[in-house]
Amino acid sequence: AQSVAQPEDQVNVAEGNPLTVKCTYSVSGNPYLFWYVQYPNRGLQFLLKYITGDNLVKGSYGFEAEFNKSQTSFHLKKPSALVSDSALYFCAVRDSLFSGGYNKLIFGAGTRLAVHP
Amino acid sequence: KAGVTQTPRYLIKTRGQQVTLSCSPISGHRSVSWYQQTPGQGLQFLFEYFSETQRNKGNFPGRFSGRQFSNSRSEMNVSTLELGDSALYLCASSLADPTYEQYFGPGTRLTVT
Repeated sequence: AQSVAQPEDQVNVAEGNPLTVKCTYSVSGNPYLFWYVQYPNRGLQFLLKYITGDNLVKGSYGFEAEFNKSQTSFHLKKPSALVSDSALYFCAVRDSLFSGGYNKLIFGAGTRLAVHP
Repeated sequence: KAGVTQTPRYLIKTRGQQVTLSCSPISGHRSVSWYQQTPGQGLQFLFEYFSETQRNKGNFPGRFSGRQFSNSRSEMNVSTLELGDSALYLCASSLADPTYEQYFGPGTRLTVT
């Protein structure tokens, strides 16, 4: 079965420093991977995705993610964190199309990012 | 282009009642998915509709049901509410292509007392 793990409940970063939010996955077949961000009392906002191609994916708000097939990881990164980046971040994988997954996303538990001034 | 809209934004219901939540997808999106978000279980997939047909269903009891209309708008219904149904219910719309990302609405916060 497809699964996603976000090993850190919370990540603390000083403003201006680089940030990394970790994600590992387990899938059968080629993974379709996504990152979303959630601000308080809001829905999820799409940041970026990996479908195929370059292992470094660039997304919204200066975020990028590195796909590593051998380590089955898809870590979210940003070179310089902002206080406004503080939010809940979710990694997700599309369920297997072979089992009729279609548009079913399987989410990690989420990582709370706190950027301190 | 307008985003995904969900109504109502907040609901308070009593155990045993039923509730209907509504979702209007982004124009041109024919796939609508529903998710339940709780502090304990995180984000869990409820079901997906495409062209008025349920394509996939998560592991939820039969009290949870949904439907999609010809204009792609979707509703989900929860009957015989339980305290554990208190959650944020999120709707997401997408194109049919599974490589395409899903766009989420702001959610409906359901509180069952």
